[in-house]
Amino acid sequence: GAVVSQHPSRVICKSGTSVKIECRSLDFQATTMFWYRQFPKQSLMLMATSNEGSKATYEQGVEKDKFLINHASLTLSTLTVTSAHPEDSSFYICSATHGEQFFGPGTRLTVL
Amino acid sequence: SQKIEQNSEALNIQEGKTATLTCNYTNYSPAYLQWYRQDPGRGPVFLLLIRENEKEKRKERLKVTFDTTLKQSLFHITASQPADSATYLCALDGSGGSNYKLTFGKGTLLTVNP
Repeated sequence: GAVVSQHPSRVICKSGTSVKIECRSLDFQATTMFWYRQFPKQSLMLMATSNEGSKATYEQGVEKDKFLINHASLTLSTLTVTSAHPEDSSFYICSATHGEQFFGPGTRLTVL
Repeated sequence: SQKIEQNSEALNIQEGKTATLTCNYTNYSPAYLQWYRQDPGRGPVFLLLIRENEKEKRKERLKVTFDTTLKQSLFHITASQPADSATYLCALDGSGGSNYKLTFGKGTLLTVNP
């Protein structure tokens, strides 16, 4: 089956720093990738739709200048959390479409 | 506003019994509904998709029903096993189309006791 990877799986950073999370489709090309955020015991909330070669489409309430998304190739999308604060601590999950939607294993971000 | 509700946060059943999870939605007209499994600290794994014109779908020990009149989907796991313990999420496409934008419920944590 199609595999989506994320790196890193866990990251701890200081408040005010920026963190980059990578999402890769390992054995297929994905023109569209999605970025979700999940707080404990909450549902996955779609943050943005990432399209290869064009600007990402952000959901209402998601700051595009804070959550920078780059989809430079058909197998890689990156999410950069800029000037991270403790309230940005969450589980970030990406997905890529290939017939159906395949999810990455997630990245646990903790901002101190 | 659009809303998805999974009837209970947690469900405990005995091994061998059938687990039934419920997903209700309001203010949606989804073209399809999906069920996912999520283990702690992991991303969701796709289980089943059912389209609006399908009443029921089966895959091994799993069965999903979709009632667009009641705006409800039921997810059944028959002959449940401890390994089925996980959080199960239902998801709807947000626009009624096939653009893959999914809206998820909060999930139901299923625990199957040996």
